[in-house]
Amino acid sequence: KAGVTQTPRYLIKTRGQQVTLSCSPISGHRSVSWYQQTPGQGLQFLFEYFSETQRNKGNFPGRFSGRQFSNSRSEMNVSTLELGDSALYLCASSFGQGAREAFFGQGTRLTVV
Amino acid sequence: GIQVEQSPPDLILQEGANSTLRCNFSDSVNNLQWFHQNPWGQLINLFYIPSGTKQNGRLSATTVATERYSLLYISSSQTTDSGVYFCAAATHNLFFGTGTRLTVIP
Repeated sequence: KAGVTQTPRYLIKTRGQQVTLSCSPISGHRSVSWYQQTPGQGLQFLFEYFSETQRNKGNFPGRFSGRQFSNSRSEMNVSTLELGDSALYLCASSFGQGAREAFFGQGTRLTVV
Repeated sequence: GIQVEQSPPDLILQEGANSTLRCNFSDSVNNLQWFHQNPWGQLINLFYIPSGTKQNGRLSATTVATERYSLLYISSSQTTDSGVYFCAAATHNLFFGTGTRLTVIP
């Protein structure tokens, strides 16, 4: 069965712009979580969506938001981009909410210039 | 959140050697996973192991939940094992360690 699909794979944006990243989970999985990976901070949790509701949120500013659709696909939006938002954004899919086994997509590498 | 510490931070091995990677976590967890990050950034699942021992080919893992640590064993290492290995622990969301960078030399 297909894995977790993230689009786009690479993105270059200018400071001040906004960006939307997409994640399609494994078929049958209803939980989608987002993580940011940077060389300085490592891998950090952004938020989790389950059944179209945000269930858990990490310590990121309000510029980072997300949503989940009825087919479990999720989007993450970052508004007013800053240079420090340059990172690898990883999406994880789980069958259930919370601490179930997570499967990751290939990531979207965002560069803010 | 949960504090996750991995050791060693870097490891260089000759092909064919064995290695043990360690992960300590600060609290009781419902989930403990090991990942290998490939050169393109994807996290590849190695083990989902909240407790006990599992084996998959040359790799095995043990988690002692009561003592809050997990070990990843790599036997007969190959150059393709090179990369960064992450441990992640969760009660709700995953908290990641800083990784062990493994380099296997031919």
